[in-house]
Amino acid sequence: SQQGEEDPQALSIQEGENATMNCSYKTSINNLQWYRQNSGRGLVHLILIRSNEREKHSGRLRVTLDTSKKSSSLLITASRAADTASYFCARTGANSKLTFGKGITLSVRP
Amino acid sequence: DTGVSQDPRHKITKRGQNVTFRCDPISEHNRLYWYRQTLGQGPEFLTYFQNEAQLEKSRLLSDRFSAERPKGSFSTLEIQRTEQGDSAMYLCASSPGQFGSPLHFGNGTRLTVT
Repeated sequence: SQQGEEDPQALSIQEGENATMNCSYKTSINNLQWYRQNSGRGLVHLILIRSNEREKHSGRLRVTLDTSKKSSSLLITASRAADTASYFCARTGANSKLTFGKGITLSVRP
Repeated sequence: DTGVSQDPRHKITKRGQNVTFRCDPISEHNRLYWYRQTLGQGPEFLTYFQNEAQLEKSRLLSDRFSAERPKGSFSTLEIQRTEQGDSAMYLCASSPGQFGSPLHFGNGTRLTVT
């Protein structure tokens, strides 16, 4: 079963705008990870945040984690057309297995 | 580049036939995962290996599916008596094995069962 649920399902923004994507989960986590997938390709790891962390940055990416609300958000600042892709959150549970959500389709209009 | 490679990239087969996919992980990674992804969905876990040991199998992995990782290197995923519902992207990923470490994915094998 997929326990990471992303919101919104689809997001369309103009180049240069920020994109915010949310993820909720149901059970406890060891860490939460965000991945990106271009059409027809495999997933690429973007960023990992541990359960004892609240915020993390990597380049134009900022991820937050609220374990009390069982939610995370991914912010992409100053979006580019090349950021167009599907984005997935994935939680790592007690057995180290990654469980993915259904994903968010991001379209960045040039 | 020694990323995760999968072969073939595409496979079209008739219902009832057997198919086998191969995955070559990053050489120093001792964990190897198989996921299945259908259109518009996220990857669903099928099974994973620590070296040559298959440690967990999803209930999605019916008795028609079998995976092996001989000698803890490459892995194969075989589907016997394919059904149209098996049509999906089959993704392989590897990781160094530290708990919760990120996965490195291959580009997948797209299976179409006609």
